[in-house]
Amino acid sequence: DAGVIQSPRHEVTEMGQEVTLRCKPISGHNSLFWYRQTMMRGLELLIYFNNNVPIDDSGMPEDRFSAKMPNASFSTLKIQPSEPRDSAVYFCARQPVGAQHFGDGTRLSIL
Amino acid sequence: DQQVKQNSPSLSVQEGRISILNCDYTNSMFDYFLWYKKYPAEGPTFLISISSIKDKNEDGRFTVFLNKSAKHLSLHIVPSQPGDSAVYFCAATPSAGYALNFGKGTSLLVTP
Repeated sequence: DAGVIQSPRHEVTEMGQEVTLRCKPISGHNSLFWYRQTMMRGLELLIYFNNNVPIDDSGMPEDRFSAKMPNASFSTLKIQPSEPRDSAVYFCARQPVGAQHFGDGTRLSIL
Repeated sequence: DQQVKQNSPSLSVQEGRISILNCDYTNSMFDYFLWYKKYPAEGPTFLISISSIKDKNEDGRFTVFLNKSAKHLSLHIVPSQPGDSAVYFCAATPSAGYALNFGKGTSLLVTP
């Protein structure tokens, strides 16, 4: 158990709709990361937080993507409006010390 | 620009033999290296890591070797078991606490 709960596990929606992905890490971490996995680009960083503050959002594709971390136990990744090219598996990872520990991801399909 | 490369998309090994997975990187600032294992429909699971001050780290059946001058690391699994069948990702970062740069993975199949 990596101590990271992601919801929903699967999301299918039509393009143009708003999508919100959720991540609940157990306490005791310093940093939280959002990654996206696609066939073409593999696993790539979107954004990460340190002590709930966004540190590096250079991987966020465009303004349609936004992420928040209102407290140490909750983070959201929002896409508005969604597009078919956003279809991917989105992972959240926490980092207490040393290695990052991943949730099981959200498989997002935009039709 | 892929800074971490795993040039073998797949590898098949017989049970009991050694599995060797390779990884190359281009960024000389990378100082901390990790291997993750991933089963379908699950997140990557941390396997083993190594910092640049070492050239070898061992944990049970898993050993990671680092050659900084060649910018190359490898993961050895011995003996390989069918349960090791998974996708293995190599990752690198300038320091623990920073974002990871991942390779595209190598799919390992261990056959009985």
